[in-house]
Amino acid sequence: NAGVTQTPKFQVLKTGQSMTLQCAQDMNHEYMSWYRQDPGMGLRLIHYSVGAGITDQGEVPNGYNVSRSTTEDFPLRLLSAAPSQTSVYFCASSYLGRGLEETQYFGPGTRLLVL
Amino acid sequence: AQKITQTQPGMFVQEKEAVTLDCTYDTSDQSYGLFWYKQPSSGEMIFLIYQGSYDEQNATEGRYSLNFQKARKSANLVISASQLGDSAMYFCAMRVHSGGYQKVTFGIGTKLQVIP
Repeated sequence: NAGVTQTPKFQVLKTGQSMTLQCAQDMNHEYMSWYRQDPGMGLRLIHYSVGAGITDQGEVPNGYNVSRSTTEDFPLRLLSAAPSQTSVYFCASSYLGRGLEETQYFGPGTRLLVL
Repeated sequence: AQKITQTQPGMFVQEKEAVTLDCTYDTSDQSYGLFWYKQPSSGEMIFLIYQGSYDEQNATEGRYSLNFQKARKSANLVISASQLGDSAMYFCAMRVHSGGYQKVTFGIGTKLQVIP
């Protein structure tokens, strides 16, 4: 199993550009989520999904869109990048119906710099 | 709303000594799970240990133990016999059921440095 994969590992954007951060998992997890990590602020939830076709907003959704057409993939779209979106982005997945003890599996992260 | 508080931005510990990383939480839910993750300088998030709100015994995983004090709403991580490889960021997190879905909230983390 590859686990949770993310591409790209590093990206530089100019203000106003758009891009998609890719996330895929091969563990048949229902739950997938996107976090951003900023110094002194921990991980904050952007969007999450509990299955194909079902997504919802997290704590900091503004400026980001998501969709989930398959169980495996959960891309995160930045429609018009802003310097405030400079961050490290983590995708995570887990089973949903197995109880609270089920940990999330994290991807390696994408480091995004918006100039 | 759920909240995780980690009040130690940075900690130092001598190699082979034990260290406690503090975590307090706030939730109105009766059923919740508490997690600790390690993030080394390479950036990946590594699951360390889990404690359920109904678990009567403190969780242990090798050199990691979770000091769970429900009445105080604290879930401190204890690392025994620290090693140089323990130098990393440590995050406390809480998982609850919210509106039929599960929601995970993270603290801001504690940076641990192990001194030889």
